[in-house]
Amino acid sequence: LAKTTQPISMDSYEGQEVNITCSHNNIATNDYITWYQQFPSQGPRFIIQGYKTKVTNEVASLFIPADRKSSTLSLPRVSLSDTAVYYCLVVLNTGGFKTIFGAGTRLFVKA
Amino acid sequence: SQTIHQWPATLVQPVGSPLSLECTVEGTSNPNLYWYRQAAGRGLQLLFYSVGIGQISSEVPQNLSASRPQDRQFILSSKKLLLSDSGFYLCAWRGRGNNEKLFFGSGTQLSVL
Repeated sequence: LAKTTQPISMDSYEGQEVNITCSHNNIATNDYITWYQQFPSQGPRFIIQGYKTKVTNEVASLFIPADRKSSTLSLPRVSLSDTAVYYCLVVLNTGGFKTIFGAGTRLFVKA
Repeated sequence: SQTIHQWPATLVQPVGSPLSLECTVEGTSNPNLYWYRQAAGRGLQLLFYSVGIGQISSEVPQNLSASRPQDRQFILSSKKLLLSDSGFYLCAWRGRGNNEKLFFGSGTQLSVL
């Protein structure tokens, strides 16, 4: 399983764009990259998933370079409610089994 | 639609007492099921996962065990709790298809005193 490395924490201000980068140097050909968000005392929830290039949904964008050894989660115009822990996962494209989370990035959004 | 139920929400147990946490999934069949634990301020630690009835894989050697008596039921147990078992326990499921997302229950906050 590909190991992921993220910054431990990040600070931002309301209205700014936040970019969180995840390294996954030994990602395999069939692996997808998935990001989750977790608020205190709640389970993580899915944000976005991608394989290569760029993916965008109503919440975030995910940028993946050609070598796929890293990915960047981009949160546009964050608000206080975006304060949470963000996890990057590399998910083997075989439909299940072992799913291991890294330490995640604690994002603090200030007013 | 699929839902996942996990209970109880909070639990305070004395050291040496038994534990049973239950998780059920509705609206899907043959899911992969997971138990995670999260210590305060820390990341998620995978404890067990199951790909089918009676099939349990353990990730962390400890005094916890898991069972899957039915397709959509996953139980986390202990015969004797330790102080170090305190934490936030999360059950999750995902489908069998490619690129499936994980869906988490609401969690159980366990305090062992």
